[in-house]
Amino acid sequence: NAGVTQTPKFRVLKTGQSMTLLCAQDMNHEYMYWYRQDPGMGLRLIHYSVGEGTTAKGEVPDGYNVSRLKKQNFLLGLESAAPSQTSVYFCASRRPERGGVSYEQYFGPGTRLTVT
Amino acid sequence: TQLLEQSPQFLSIQEGENLTVYCNSSSVFSSLQWYRQEPGEGPVLLVTVVTGGEVKKLKRLTFQFGDARKDSSLHITAAQPGDTGLYLCAGVNTGRRALTFGSGTRLQVQP
Repeated sequence: NAGVTQTPKFRVLKTGQSMTLLCAQDMNHEYMYWYRQDPGMGLRLIHYSVGEGTTAKGEVPDGYNVSRLKKQNFLLGLESAAPSQTSVYFCASRRPERGGVSYEQYFGPGTRLTVT
Repeated sequence: TQLLEQSPQFLSIQEGENLTVYCNSSSVFSSLQWYRQEPGEGPVLLVTVVTGGEVKKLKRLTFQFGDARKDSSLHITAAQPGDTGLYLCAGVNTGRRALTFGSGTRLQVQP
């Protein structure tokens, strides 16, 4: 199993350009997540999905859109990139919790995005 | 909004020393997880604690969940350079589909 994969690994964008980050998981997980990680800020949740065709906003959703057309894929879009979106982006997936206990959340290797 | 505060933010120690990292919240969590993240990689789960007062040991790492399920600690005995990384705690609540992550503790163990 490849686990969680992310494409691309690195990207440099100019302000105003758009791009899509792709996340794929082969573990048949229901839940998928997009986070950004900035120095000293830990992981901040951008958007998440609890199933195919459903998405929800996290704590920092502005400037991003997502789609979950297939269970195994979760796409993160930046319509008009800004320097404030320079960050490392992580995708994650897991099974739904049971009885208040969360199963392991599996993370991809990250995408390093720089917006100039 | 549920918040998890970790302390210290940074820790640089010599090989062989002991250390404790804390994860505190004013909210109650149904369970709590600890992850370790190495440079250039995504976080990886170390442990999940479920019951208030629970203690779990993973070789030289000891994890404790507070009695009231609002806080947790990670103790490392005789730290090694391989323990270097970012340690993140994450709280779980029934009905909330997303984990609440702490801001992390960056640990550097010097040989």
